Amino acid sequence: GDSVTQMEGPVTLSEEAFLTINCTYTATGYPSLFWYVQYPGEGLQLLLKATKADDKGSNKGFEATYRKETTSFHLEKGSVQVSDSAVYFCALSPMNYGGSQGNLIFGKGTKLSVKP
Amino acid sequence: GAGVSQTPSNKVTEKGKYVELRCDPISGHTALYWYRQSLGQGPEFLIYFQGTGAADDSGLPNDRFFAVRPEGSVSTLKIQRTERGDSAVYLCASSPREAGELFFGEGSRLTVL
Repeated sequence: GDSVTQMEGPVTLSEEAFLTINCTYTATGYPSLFWYVQYPGEGLQLLLKATKADDKGSNKGFEATYRKETTSFHLEKGSVQVSDSAVYFCALSPMNYGGSQGNLIFGKGTKLSVKP
Repeated sequence: GAGVSQTPSNKVTEKGKYVELRCDPISGHTALYWYRQSLGQGPEFLIYFQGTGAADDSGLPNDRFFAVRPEGSVSTLKIQRTERGDSAVYLCASSPREAGELFFGEGSRLTVL
């Protein structure tokens, strides 16, 4: 079945460091891909998304490109801040021809801690 | 508030008891989802409502789990004869339309002793 694999955490970086969190997926059809973020004490919230191959999602300085040839959707940010400390989840929405199913399949999450 | 509201935020119960978890979605959102998140895992899909009907309940683990949304707004997740393995954070999310952006609540943490 469809699945998402993301790099194990925790990841600890210094402020202004470059961030990459790897995510690969297995899916039939043409899924949509997402990154969700969960800040301490808050609910999950959508960070960015991409709905077709070669699309780049971006938000708050984070970027991820939908790579169908490598089945990947790696999250990157050029200069992290302490406020980026959170748990990041990669997810896919299975999509059949003609429509989407709406439910999401999540990875296990990667905890990021950014030190000043 | 304007977000998805879940109650209770914490529930501790004994093995074998019945529990209900409530989700109040964002007003006007027609789609509502329940997920379960165990420690160290990502959220796992349970059930999806479009309006009052369950459009997809394929994620419910067994017949002890049941969810309703009688008026197309508030939803209740019901768990009968709870087991220790049911301990998890139960997340609710709503969306203005099918496959639109999901807006998550903070979750209900269930602990079964």
